[in-house]
Amino acid sequence: DIQMTQSPSSLPASVGDRVTITCRASQSISSYLNWYQKKPGKAPKLLIYSASSLQGGVPSRFSGSGSGTDFTLTISSLQPEDFATYYCLQSYTLPWTFGQGTKVEIK
Amino acid sequence: VQLQESGPGLVKPSQTLSLTCTVSGDSFSSDNYYWSWIRQPAGEGLEWIGRIYKSGTATYNPSLKSRVTISIDTSKSQFSLKLSSVTAADTAVYYCASFTALVPNAFDIWGQGTMVTVSS
Repeated sequence: DIQMTQSPSSLPASVGDRVTITCRASQSISSYLNWYQKKPGKAPKLLIYSASSLQGGVPSRFSGSGSGTDFTLTISSLQPEDFATYYCLQSYTLPWTFGQGTKVEIK
Repeated sequence: VQLQESGPGLVKPSQTLSLTCTVSGDSFSSDNYYWSWIRQPAGEGLEWIGRIYKSGTATYNPSLKSRVTISIDTSKSQFSLKLSSVTAADTAVYYCASFTALVPNAFDIWGQGTMVTVSS
């Protein structure tokens, strides 16, 4: 299985901050990397697919980059509704695997 | 497309967990979708359980393969999950989701999730 490792696990931040989350794959996954936002009691929401493509309806302050084994999710200016847990998902090969999550919390 | 999970919220240890996902919309017979189950135990991350294609071909996470069966009923636009010999470790929120191949090649539509507790 491909292991996905996110860092940090917890990220205290303030509204307006630029936030960066990283995800590392245990082997190359090309650009088959997706980012999700998860809020308590809600289903995950797809933000970024194929490492850098913005899903429809997602604000442009979200962006993704990377290829191979190293990827980043950036929120350019954190908004109150962005406090949540973020997960990466590799869809390169089965079994599809998620990172352990990064909780963006209020500083 | 909308997905909705249904099934018992409480299952006894050693018994079989059974959930159904009903899909509304015209996409159920599309070539581009893999229908999946994903779960999240409280305080933990997301785990992909398995997927099924409209043909009935299913693929499972090796970590659960010996206990999982996913089936599909295209006439009802439903797919189902059975997880046998459950323990407290199977207590989780269970989601059904559609994985759209090619673009975005990701889970793009999810059900709201259903909490399943394993307890006597």
